Amino acid sequence: DIQMTQSPSSLSASIGDRVTITCRASQSISSFLNWYQQKPGKAPKLLIFAASSLQGGVPSRFDGSGSGTDFTLTISSLQPEDFATYFCQQSYSGWTFGQGTKVEVK
Amino acid sequence: QVQPQESGPGLVKPSETLSLTCTVSGGSIRSHYWNWVRQTPGKGLEWIGSIYYNGTTNSNPSLRSRVTIAGDTSKNQFSLKLSSVTAADTAVYFCARARTNYVQYYMDVWGTGTTVVVSS
Repeated sequence: DIQMTQSPSSLSASIGDRVTITCRASQSISSFLNWYQQKPGKAPKLLIFAASSLQGGVPSRFDGSGSGTDFTLTISSLQPEDFATYFCQQSYSGWTFGQGTKVEVK
Repeated sequence: QVQPQESGPGLVKPSETLSLTCTVSGGSIRSHYWNWVRQTPGKGLEWIGSIYYNGTTNSNPSLRSRVTIAGDTSKNQFSLKLSSVTAADTAVYFCARARTNYVQYYMDVWGTGTTVVVSS
């Protein structure tokens, strides 16, 4: 099984801050990495697929990078609607999710 | 706009079989892979299994012995059966479409989720 580890598990930030979340795979997954945003009581929403491709309708302040085992999701300027939990997901072999990173108000 | 929607009993007794249906509106299931994913506070998001419209299925090795996924293209639905449930199967269950960019897959459309509690 491929394990996905996110860090940090939570962070506090202010509006306008640059936020970075990392995701590490237990083995190389090339660019088979997706990022999701989830708000309480809602389903996950796809933000980034194939490590760096922005899903249609997602603001350009969201950026994904990385390949192999190490990946990053960056929010360039945090907006009020961005307070949520973010998950990475590998699709290289089956599907596995990271444990999530909760972005909270500072 | 494609919209999947989960339905099924919200309460299942231990040792019984959990049965859920995902009905897809606004588009056909005759394309893409369709998936079941569950979420618990303890284990987070967990992929359960998937089905292609031609009937090809795949499932998480950790659940494979208990999982059955089937499709009904005439009703534009697919279903999940999880046998011999325990309290550990209490979760929010989502159905989701997996789309491809011809190289890799990603889940781009999700249902709203349905809560299933396993309890006597």
